Amino acid sequence: EVQLVESGGGLVQPGGSLRLSCAASGFNFSTYIMNWVRQAPGQGLEWVSYISRSSTTIHYADSVKGRFTISRDNAKNSLYLQMNSLRAEDTAIYYCARYGSGSLWNDYWGQGALVTVSS
Amino acid sequence: DIQMTQSPSSLSASVGDRVTITCRASQSISSFLNWYQQRPGKAPKLLIYTASSLQSGVPSRFSGSGSGTDFTLTINSLQPEDFATYYCQQSYSTPRVTFGQGTRLEIK
Repeated sequence: EVQLVESGGGLVQPGGSLRLSCAASGFNFSTYIMNWVRQAPGQGLEWVSYISRSSTTIHYADSVKGRFTISRDNAKNSLYLQMNSLRAEDTAIYYCARYGSGSLWNDYWGQGALVTVSS
Repeated sequence: DIQMTQSPSSLSASVGDRVTITCRASQSISSFLNWYQQRPGKAPKLLIYTASSLQSGVPSRFSGSGSGTDFTLTINSLQPEDFATYYCQQSYSTPRVTFGQGTRLEIK
């Protein structure tokens, strides 16, 4: 069974940092493209970042570029999102999501990790 | 960025009804359009990909159509578990995908 489990969320002050993790199981993690999508409270979905299978291709939304860093460790079946210089507008549930094999859609999503940026 | 606009933003319907949700792209996206369902407090779930292909395990009462800039999601014979929020997503500009603002489907 495919599972994606996020962790590392919490309350952080503006300007602070947080690192999210996404533990993958039930599939060959190294052969799948991954991304992070977030959802502010009561709002819609916003794509955040994308990483290819071997980490050679990485993209960020303009809203987080220069502050967030996506990475993966295929040996540990894990995806990460390092978030620095956090702002109140970064408050959201952060989902890791898998791209289906050879596809352009997200076929599996984690349950999400809540990040709250507040003083 | 490609803008995605859904209508309506909210919709009330009864069990057994047929409902249609529309999604419009700000430019042609061919058939690179996906639909997701999100129940309260849960992660999004893929329903339809490339405009009209049903994801494995999704009931056949869900269907999608359209190409270019205009797309629809239709749910036939609404079931209690279908009351949720639905999002369209364009994947034409992958990895810079964008979502519609969502359509909340409520019980009448």
